[in-house]
Amino acid sequence: DIVMTQTPLSSPVTLGQPASISCRSSQSLVHSDGNTYLNWLQQRPGQPPRLLIYKISNRFSGVPDRFSGSGAGTDFTLKISSVEAEDVGVYYCTQATQFPYTFGQGTTLEIK
Amino acid sequence: EVQLVESGGGLVQPGGSLRLSCAASGFTFSRYWMHWVRQAPGKGLVWVSVIYTDGTNTHYADSVKGRFTISRDNAKNTLYLQMNSLRAEDTAVYYCARGGLGTGLDSWGQGSQVTVSS
Repeated sequence: DIVMTQTPLSSPVTLGQPASISCRSSQSLVHSDGNTYLNWLQQRPGQPPRLLIYKISNRFSGVPDRFSGSGAGTDFTLKISSVEAEDVGVYYCTQATQFPYTFGQGTTLEIK
Repeated sequence: EVQLVESGGGLVQPGGSLRLSCAASGFTFSRYWMHWVRQAPGKGLVWVSVIYTDGTNTHYADSVKGRFTISRDNAKNTLYLQMNSLRAEDTAVYYCARGGLGTGLDSWGQGSQVTVSS
């Protein structure tokens, strides 16, 4: 199974400041079709997860442009350009390149 | 609007069975892979199973293989998860999720709580 490792596990951020979360996979996430199926999910307190970013850097429908994704191969990053109060929650990277799909441990974003 | 509504959760004794359902609406259900993902209390997300569009292909996490069965009824726009030989460690919120066309798990239900306890 592909192991997904996120850092940091907790990120206290000041409102209006940027935030960054890293995700590393134990093997390349490049699929045989040439795509890299690395996605980012947000889970607000008491809510189901929500897709933010798919295939490394594509924002899903309705996701604000302050969220961006980057990376390649085994190293990926989610950035929030200016944190807002509604961004509080847990962020997960996940790979959909091969079964079983796997998730990072989650990074808790909290406001200082 | 895509909607996924899970039902069928509850309290069950170890060794018991439960069947979860997920009613889908707002999209052409038969065109999408469908998944189950679970989350134990205070823990992270764990992928459980997937079923392809026509129901002939399925995959399972090792932890549930041989005990859980995923199925779908495209005529009823409904996804199922039959859970047998339940264990305490199966206690979790179970989410159904749509496998988007290149977008991964792009829509999620609100979840159904399954508690395995004597």
